[in-house]
Amino acid sequence: GAGVSQTPSNKVTEKGKYVELRCDPISGHTALYWYRQSLGQGPEFLIYFQGTGAADDSGLPNDRFFAVRPEGSVSTLKIQRTERGDSAVYLCASSLTPYEQYFGPGTRLTVT
Amino acid sequence: AQSVAQPEDQVKVAEGNPLTVKCTYSVSGNPYLFWYVQYPNRGLQFLLKYITGDNLVKGSYGFEAEFNKSQTSFHLKKPSALVSDSALYFCAVRSNNFNKFYFGSGTKLNVKP
Repeated sequence: GAGVSQTPSNKVTEKGKYVELRCDPISGHTALYWYRQSLGQGPEFLIYFQGTGAADDSGLPNDRFFAVRPEGSVSTLKIQRTERGDSAVYLCASSLTPYEQYFGPGTRLTVT
Repeated sequence: AQSVAQPEDQVKVAEGNPLTVKCTYSVSGNPYLFWYVQYPNRGLQFLLKYITGDNLVKGSYGFEAEFNKSQTSFHLKKPSALVSDSALYFCAVRSNNFNKFYFGSGTKLNVKP
């Protein structure tokens, strides 16, 4: 079956611009996670959705970052006033059980 | 607080030799431990997990991991390495409230022919 998909695969934007990153989870998966992976580092938790609600957003670095999942399926990570330090690979994962996560290929964001 | 440490940035082994990628953890409560592999320009792929039970866990692609509570370790192992095993490996621990995974910094495995 189809896995987790993320669009775009690459995004280059200028400092100060607004970006949206999209995640399509595996059909039926109720939990959805966003992570950020900087070069040479492991994924860093950003936010977790259970259904439509953000159950844990403790990993969002500041109020420029926001994520939604309005219908409990597709999620969008939104970054306002992008900064060069936001450059990273943004990973999405979904799951049906607490013990596994299925990751998408990621969106590579470059802020120039 | 939960955390994992991968002390080696890189591991090099010859094809056919056994491999070990090290991971130590720090958790409050029962540990839920995982290994993931990441190939270039691809997402993380699940290899195996320890939740409870037998300390030796078998996973995908011939990998296994040994949970050692006294040493707080969860090392990844494979009896005979393949060149195609060359990738980036991440150890992770799940938070007690099941909301997030904490990942190590990764170990690059290089298997030479």
